[in-house]
Amino acid sequence: SSELTQDPAVSVALGQTVRITCQGESLRSYYVSWYQQKPGQAPVVVIYGKSDRPSGIPDRFSGSRLGHTASLIITGAQAEDEADYYCNSRDSTGNHWVFGGGTKLTVL
Amino acid sequence: QITLKESGLTLVKPTQTLKLTCTVSGFSLSTGGVGVGWIRQPPGKALEWLALIFWDDDKRYSPSLESRLTITKDTSKNQVVLTMTNMDPVDTGTYYCVHSKDIMTPPYKWGSYYFDYWGQGTLVTVSS
Repeated sequence: SSELTQDPAVSVALGQTVRITCQGESLRSYYVSWYQQKPGQAPVVVIYGKSDRPSGIPDRFSGSRLGHTASLIITGAQAEDEADYYCNSRDSTGNHWVFGGGTKLTVL
Repeated sequence: QITLKESGLTLVKPTQTLKLTCTVSGFSLSTGGVGVGWIRQPPGKALEWLALIFWDDDKRYSPSLESRLTITKDTSKNQVVLTMTNMDPVDTGTYYCVHSKDIMTPPYKWGSYYFDYWGQGTLVTVSS
């Protein structure tokens, strides 16, 4: 079982805002990173650190953290944002990394 | 430009040992703060972190697989090798090699590392 918990599926209407959450005690100590994965492709990091975006990632992607819950927020979701999203951080020992179970985002 | 490319046998029999090689370019495996790791994904399932080796040869393994995994690096060849013993059909999946670094500068090994570059992945099938 994963130390990071995500909702299996989330849907959002085109152009609306969606929040994808990730819960875990280690998030109180370590930042989370978020990865987008489209079918048949390798994952791509979209958010890391406090809410940093790699170059090329649209600014509609942002992150937040409160206590043991981290969130990936997509403001104005687009059709191309439909994908699986995974959170990742260190585990509670700090010696290993763990992924959440992933959230399948559907854009309606 | 950082790139990573996985290679190795893609069909192994149960109980055999898997050996995967990650050949990197665009950075040195001895650069302070750098980590290279392996992540796998069974078909239709979630990502699973397996192992990571730091620039100073410090190694970390998934607790659930540690007894079966070994990660090494050859800086002169720009390669990182992962071996996994006693393969089973449940180990079938896509195996990714990743470049990792801390969000902070200078890097802190206990900091918040993330995976900024991924290889294309290699599908490993375990079947008799």
